[in-house]
Amino acid sequence: AQTVTQSQPEMSVQEAETVTLSCTYDTSESDYYLFWYKQPPSRQMILVIRQEAYKQQNATENRFSVNFQKAAKSFSLKISDSQLGDAAMYFCALMDSNYQLIWGAGTKLIIKP
Amino acid sequence: DTEVTQTPKHLVMGMTNKKSLKCEQHMGHRAMYWYKQKAKKPPELMFVYSYEKLSINESVPSRFSPECPNSSLLNLHLHALQPEDSALYLCASSQGQGVTYGYTFGSGTRLTVV
Repeated sequence: AQTVTQSQPEMSVQEAETVTLSCTYDTSESDYYLFWYKQPPSRQMILVIRQEAYKQQNATENRFSVNFQKAAKSFSLKISDSQLGDAAMYFCALMDSNYQLIWGAGTKLIIKP
Repeated sequence: DTEVTQTPKHLVMGMTNKKSLKCEQHMGHRAMYWYKQKAKKPPELMFVYSYEKLSINESVPSRFSPECPNSSLLNLHLHALQPEDSALYLCASSQGQGVTYGYTFGSGTRLTVV
């Protein structure tokens, strides 16, 4: 069975600092896709970043970047220059061979002003 | 238009009521999804429609009845719900069920069953 694990229920960071959210996964597939979604109090689930497993280069979207370690099955999210608007639940997700999302439990990110 | 619009935003219903949730997108996406999300938990997949046909039903109780009248619209009909069905119901869409760009989500309907 495919699983996604987020071991940090909650993280906090000072505004303007950098924070890294951890995610590990397990799959027997060789080709798959990984995602980080953000869910602020407004409730909408927003796609932050996407990584294709066959690409070795880590995905980057502005202040958001990932550290993708395929052999270790690790997919961490780094947020640079944290802003108050980054406060949210962050979910890591794996897309399986049926194109369904397998979700992690989520990490609540708190930004301290 | 790059949004998925869900109505209503909040709904309170009794256990004997019948109500419907509505989801609309105009991005030309051909796959649409219903998810149920409990507080501080990840979303749980309920139904998938691909090209307006139901392709996945994750063993959801029959008191939840999905409908896809056209490629832009997805409904979830509710009848005889239980208090434990209280949750955030999220709709999502993607370019196709086999496309891996990720999903676009709506803001959800917060449902309370009394």
